[in-house]
This record gives sequence, C-alpha cells and structure tokens, in this order.
Amino acid sequence: NAGVTQTPKFQVLKTGQSMTLQCAQDMNHNSMYWYRQDPGMGLRLIYYSASEGTTDKGEVPNGYNVSRLNKREFSLRLESAAPSQTSVYFCASSPRTGGNTIYFGEGSWLTVV
Amino acid sequence: SQELEQSPQSLIVQEGKNLTINCTSSKTLYGLYWYKQKYGEGLIFLMMLQKGGEEKSHEKITAKLDEKKQQSSLHITASQPSHAGIYLCGADNTGKLIFGQGTTLQVKP
Repeated sequence: NAGVTQTPKFQVLKTGQSMTLQCAQDMNHNSMYWYRQDPGMGLRLIYYSASEGTTDKGEVPNGYNVSRLNKREFSLRLESAAPSQTSVYFCASSPRTGGNTIYFGEGSWLTVV
Repeated sequence: SQELEQSPQSLIVQEGKNLTINCTSSKTLYGLYWYKQKYGEGLIFLMMLQKGGEEKSHEKITAKLDEKKQQSSLHITASQPSHAGIYLCGADNTGKLIFGQGTTLQVKP
C-alpha cells in the first residue's frame, strides 16, 4: 500500500535555487496538504487543496507556491530558497476537509545553505 | 485563529510508568486528532475524538475529549520503549488540520 508518496526524501539547496517537492496519493482523496515541521513548532500548514482545481493558503505560505496537478498529485515549489526554509516537509491527504483522518507521507528533508 | 498548546513539551519516564499528555485549544474543538511520530518518519494516526466526553483506547493508549471540548488528554498506561516518539494533537480549523507543537516522550528501560 503506497498511500502518500513524496519525493525527494533528502535535498540540499543553495540559497536562491529553486526546487519542487512532488507528492502523490493513491487513495482517491479529494484533499491534499503541505506542512513543514520545525523543532519546537510542531507542524505548520503551508498550503492545502480542498479539492482538485482549488488551492488555499495555510499558516505559513510565504515563499512557496503549489500546484494541484490532478486529483492524485500536489506539488510544492520553492522559487528562491532561503535558509529559513530548511525544514522537514510533509505532504498529506484526506477524503475531504473537515472531520476526516489525514494520512501523511514520510517526509522530505530540505536543507538550504 | 485557533491555537493548540501541548504540555509537557518533553517527558522522560521509566518503563512501566503511566503518563499523560495534554492538548489545550484556544477555541472549541470540533474534531481532535492524536498522531505519533518516530524520529525520521512520518505521522501515524492514533485516534480521533469528536464528541465532548468521548474516550477512545488503542492498546495501552487512551485519549479523552473533555466535556467543554477545549482540551484533550492522552494517557499511556505501563509505558514501554515502543511508546517513545513525538505525540502531536491536531484539530479541525475551518476544514484544515492544525497541530500543537508536539510532546517528545522518552521511555527509559
């Protein structure tokens, strides 16, 4: 059972470089999410997509863009990486927003130097 | 905006001891989730509580949502090294899930 798959698992970027984190789910879920996790701050929502064709800002959207490519895939793009974006990124999905269990990918470790 | 505060932030217990982690919300909770995370891994869903007074158990872990629906507690009975990890509470906030800062649990053999 694949569930939520995100790539790459590890990435080192130089300040100013761009990159895209890819996420795909095979559970036919409508809603998808991107979180970042930093020590002592728990998980913070960056962007989410309630359904195919829609995206909305979360708690910390600055410096990021997202694309809901289709129902399965939700990508996160860093246009000009900054050291403050060094973090662990988690993609997640749920059948729909509100009152549903959210399933998480295994995380992507990003370091910006 | 809604905020979740977990306490304690970290906890070290001796194997076999009981422990409790609390999650307090700044607003009424309409769905409280507990997740566990092992270092370097993703989040594993433990349980979801929706009704005030609701209590659920999974193996030796019990979670309860208080009657006023602004606090949840997670209780582990007879802790084991396998219980070690980071416990996060999450809450529905207008359709999206927000999280507390997490509680790191170490269990000493």
